[in-house]
Amino acid sequence: AQSVAQPEDQVNVAEGNPLTVKCTYSVSGNPYLFWYVQYPNRGLQFLLKYITGDNLVKGSYGFEAEFNKSQTSFHLKKPSALVSDSALYFCAVRDTGSNTGKLIFGQGTTLQVKP
Amino acid sequence: DTAVSQTPKYLVTQMGNDKSIKCEQNLGHDTMYWYKQDSKKFLKIMFSYNNKELIINETVPNRFSPKSPDKAHLNLHINSLELGDSAVYFCASSQRGEQYFGPGTRLTVT
Repeated sequence: AQSVAQPEDQVNVAEGNPLTVKCTYSVSGNPYLFWYVQYPNRGLQFLLKYITGDNLVKGSYGFEAEFNKSQTSFHLKKPSALVSDSALYFCAVRDTGSNTGKLIFGQGTTLQVKP
Repeated sequence: DTAVSQTPKYLVTQMGNDKSIKCEQNLGHDTMYWYKQDSKKFLKIMFSYNNKELIINETVPNRFSPKSPDKAHLNLHINSLELGDSAVYFCASSQRGEQYFGPGTRLTVT
């Protein structure tokens, strides 16, 4: 079965430090991977995606993610965290078993950036 | 300009009632979705329509019925509401890649 795992419920980091939010996936075939951010009482916002090509993907708000096929990972990174980055982050993979565009989401990781 | 909009934003109702949530997208996308986010923030897809045709129907009680009058609208009707239906419901749309989400409707059943 296709799945996405975010092993950390919460990540704490000091402002200005680099941050990493982890994601691993399990799919058949080539993965289409996504990161979304959800601010309190808001909908999900698209951050970045990996379809093919360069393993390092750059996205919105200075975030980037590294696709690692051998480790089946797609970790989200940012060189210098901001307090305003504090939010809930979701990793997702497109279901390759159907042609519906269905996304399978991880359970989410709360990022807390402290001043 | 709001890309994906939902109404109402908040909905408080009693058990047994019937309610609807509306969703509209102005992105020209062919595919729309309904998701349920529970109290633990877990997101689960419920339905998807492509050009007014139902293409995803996950294991959802048949009290939930989606309706798509045109490809820009996907409404969700819920009959005989139960306490366990309390959640945030998100609408989303996509063309061939990332999905764009609405702001959510927080449903509280008392």
